Amino acid sequence: DAKTTQPTSMDCAEGRAANLPCNHSTISGNEYVYWYRQIHSQGPQYIIHGLKNNETNEMASLIITEDRKSSTLILPHATLRDTAVYYCIVSQAADQTGANNLFFGTGTRLTVIP
Amino acid sequence: EAQVTQNPRYLITVTGKKLTVTCSQNMNHEYMSWYRQDPGLGLRQIYYSMNVEVTDKGDVPEGYKVSRKEKRNFPLILESPSPNQTSLYFCASSRWTGGTYEQYFGPGTRLTVT
Repeated sequence: DAKTTQPTSMDCAEGRAANLPCNHSTISGNEYVYWYRQIHSQGPQYIIHGLKNNETNEMASLIITEDRKSSTLILPHATLRDTAVYYCIVSQAADQTGANNLFFGTGTRLTVIP
Repeated sequence: EAQVTQNPRYLITVTGKKLTVTCSQNMNHEYMSWYRQDPGLGLRQIYYSMNVEVTDKGDVPEGYKVSRKEKRNFPLILESPSPNQTSLYFCASSRWTGGTYEQYFGPGTRLTVT
């Protein structure tokens, strides 16, 4: 079952920051927030994940609100190649012997406009 | 190059004709899984494997089998394919990051059963 709510679609101008929101109001204390993206029927690509603190890597930043009920994925300088469907996923932390089944809903279709 | 490979990429077959979709990863990951993607339903997990000779059902296992005889390979077997198994299939291999998994997906196999 989906634990997240995302807008169906968004547009962003090339070179500007893309801010993708996600609501996860029922998140529990041991659940991580993951972001993946899928470019036109290719395999989904891992972007970033976080538990409580904001995270940044070479692809994006993840801002998680203090109450953890929502988060925002930020692509700092969107390019045309960032056009994709972005999935926000909430899932329990796994121990190394446990399953890690990520439920991919329908995501947000981000279109970067030249 | 670290990657997950799937073969074939495209397959058209007829009802009842057994087929196997291969998946291989070169990252020495212990955790592997299979997903199917259908319009409006997102990605759903079929089977997963925690390690060699250890497999378990995901959310939609009916009509599928898997095996894990070697760490790098995780084939998906359809003993008697039916039209409702027409879908886009992804294999994933996961890296443990000391709290959760990052999943790396293959390029996908588009299967049509007539």
